[in-house]
Amino acid sequence: EAGVTQFPSHSVIEKGQTVTLRCDPISGHDNLYWYRRVMGKEIKFLLHFVKESKQDESGMPNNRFLAERTGGTYSTLKVQPAELEDSGVYFCASSLRTSGPNEQFFGPGTRLTVL
Amino acid sequence: GEDVEQSLFLSVREGDSSVINCTYTDSSSTYLYWYKQEPGAGLQLLTYIFSNMDMKQDQRLTVLLNKKDKHLSLRIADTQTGDSAIYFCAERGGDTGRRALTFGSGTRLQVQP
Repeated sequence: EAGVTQFPSHSVIEKGQTVTLRCDPISGHDNLYWYRRVMGKEIKFLLHFVKESKQDESGMPNNRFLAERTGGTYSTLKVQPAELEDSGVYFCASSLRTSGPNEQFFGPGTRLTVL
Repeated sequence: GEDVEQSLFLSVREGDSSVINCTYTDSSSTYLYWYKQEPGAGLQLLTYIFSNMDMKQDQRLTVLLNKKDKHLSLRIADTQTGDSAIYFCAERGGDTGRRALTFGSGTRLQVQP
């Protein structure tokens, strides 16, 4: 069974440009999460989808970030316009359930560098 | 808000035991997790423990939880060079709370041959 995949693996853009990250969760997982790790610090939660609905977007830093999950399958995270402080590794995770231990399976991440 | 703290670096010799420590602040945490990240890879869930347990063992891994002190540790027995990675501690609230995980900054484990 394929794991969580993310595209691209790396992205280098200039400040002010737009970047769109994509995440394909494990098939059948209704729950999809976005996290990011900035400057080698802790991994921070961004938002949580249940199917196509945003269940929790309390971690989104500002309105330059827009996440979508049309159709409840893959998700995109768009940053527009990108700022220097957006550089970091963006992780996507998916889980089958939200109750119990709620094991979240992570993708390899997208490394975003804003110059 | 919730906070999870870990030491940044640990170096051990191959064959020794490694102990990675973590403290957290959220008293409502119900599940605590250990994830491993190898270079260029995503986060791999190693193990988790429910907050009403104080120990969980899984092959070479032993998790100890002191809920009173909000302290979690991961012991790796007979550490191998393949165990070199970053280890993240994470916590999650109860089923009525957020599903998001709160992570520490990660502990880089270096295993010397």
